[in-house]
Amino acid sequence: GAGVSQSPRYKVAKRGQDVALRCDPISGHVSLFWYQQALGQGPEFLTYFQNEAQLDKSGLPSDRFFAERPEGSVSTLKIQRTQQEDSAVYLCASSWTGNQPQHFGDGTRLSIL
Amino acid sequence: DQQVKQNSPSLSVQEGRISILNCDYTNSMFDYFLWYKKYPAEGPTFLISISSIKDKNEDGRFTVFLNKSAKHLSLHIVPSQPGDSAVYFCAVHTGTASKLTFGTGTRLQVTL
Repeated sequence: GAGVSQSPRYKVAKRGQDVALRCDPISGHVSLFWYQQALGQGPEFLTYFQNEAQLDKSGLPSDRFFAERPEGSVSTLKIQRTQQEDSAVYLCASSWTGNQPQHFGDGTRLSIL
Repeated sequence: DQQVKQNSPSLSVQEGRISILNCDYTNSMFDYFLWYKKYPAEGPTFLISISSIKDKNEDGRFTVFLNKSAKHLSLHIVPSQPGDSAVYFCAVHTGTASKLTFGTGTRLQVTL
């Protein structure tokens, strides 16, 4: 497809389980971003990659959150030992460079029971 | 500390009239401003942007105005159409930091 693809669309996990969320950016896009969106709020920045390099991870809320983009294309956001406050929509975005408009996927809605 | 504020959570406008959505920011270092539109269960879609060297940018029915002295941004939609009903987010970033900082959104409803 031509857009940013995220999977799964919905994920339900029990508190304490690990989850992995996948993002396929637009082909050729150098920059990749992860955001977290809580209900009724705007997206909040988590982390940013330029190719395979993670240039900014200042938004990751704790060391339970880990992101990687090993080959500079697909990215995975992993959350270990999930907690109820991790419930949110996780959005991935990509762009040609860091300063071009970011194009978003439809997100993964994560629910922690 | 909310750096980007959209003080109107919702707005209702009749079809054919003008919709004006507002956004205020606190950091004068922000130099690039964007508007995104979001339908339920979809990701935000880029609409229009403006850099700090301009005060107006127009694209079809959408115009963004920037008032740097007031740290205020607005989006005008003319004429409004039912398909414009969505949540609109303003977003900002500085040239040195690629991450976007979003407002909390304004839900626009365009009525017949």
